[in-house]
Amino acid sequence: DAGVTQSPTHLIKTRGQHVTLRCSPISGHKSVSWYQQVLGQGPQFIFQYYEKEERGRGNFPDRFSARQFPNYSSELNVNALLLGDSALYLCASILVRIAGGREQYFGPGTRLTVT
Amino acid sequence: AQRVTQPEKLLSVFKGAPVELKCNYSYSGSPELFWYVQYSRQRLQLLLRHISRESIKGFTADLNKGETSFHLKKPFAQEEDSAMYYCALRDAGGTSYGKLTFGQGTILTVHP
Repeated sequence: DAGVTQSPTHLIKTRGQHVTLRCSPISGHKSVSWYQQVLGQGPQFIFQYYEKEERGRGNFPDRFSARQFPNYSSELNVNALLLGDSALYLCASILVRIAGGREQYFGPGTRLTVT
Repeated sequence: AQRVTQPEKLLSVFKGAPVELKCNYSYSGSPELFWYVQYSRQRLQLLLRHISRESIKGFTADLNKGETSFHLKKPFAQEEDSAMYYCALRDAGGTSYGKLTFGQGTILTVHP
């Protein structure tokens, strides 16, 4: 049983470039969230997608965008990279319980380094 | 705005001692609280949800709405409990149910 998968594992980019990060949720989960985790801090919410539609957006600039595909996998795109974008990017697959409550299951993350 | 505070960045205890990781939150809506754990070189894992009121690996946490706290406790710490612990909040009544607000995390070290 595969958990949440993310690719690539590590990435090194130069300032000004763009990057695409990928995530596949747990089978049967229709919603994903993306987080940025800077060293020494807790994860910060970037986006949530459900059924290919954006359902929430954190306090991030328009350089950050995302989309979700019919198979519920997702991409996070970041344009015009800045040094401050260096972080671990986490994808979470969301289980919606019929009785209420939502649980998020995290992938291993993509480590982005911007030089 | 919702906020989660974990006042201790580092916490050290000896094996067999009780441990309490503090978490305070500020939010006026209906919060759902979680504890996540990250062991060395592993991904972030869900440890506890306040809704389920369960005990996982000997850990418990009670939501205290009066004190706006959700402290994580274990009566007898084990060396394998050494990890980074994050407290997180979700707005149960909000439109973006996929948004978790995390604290800064507490590194727990259990010495033999």
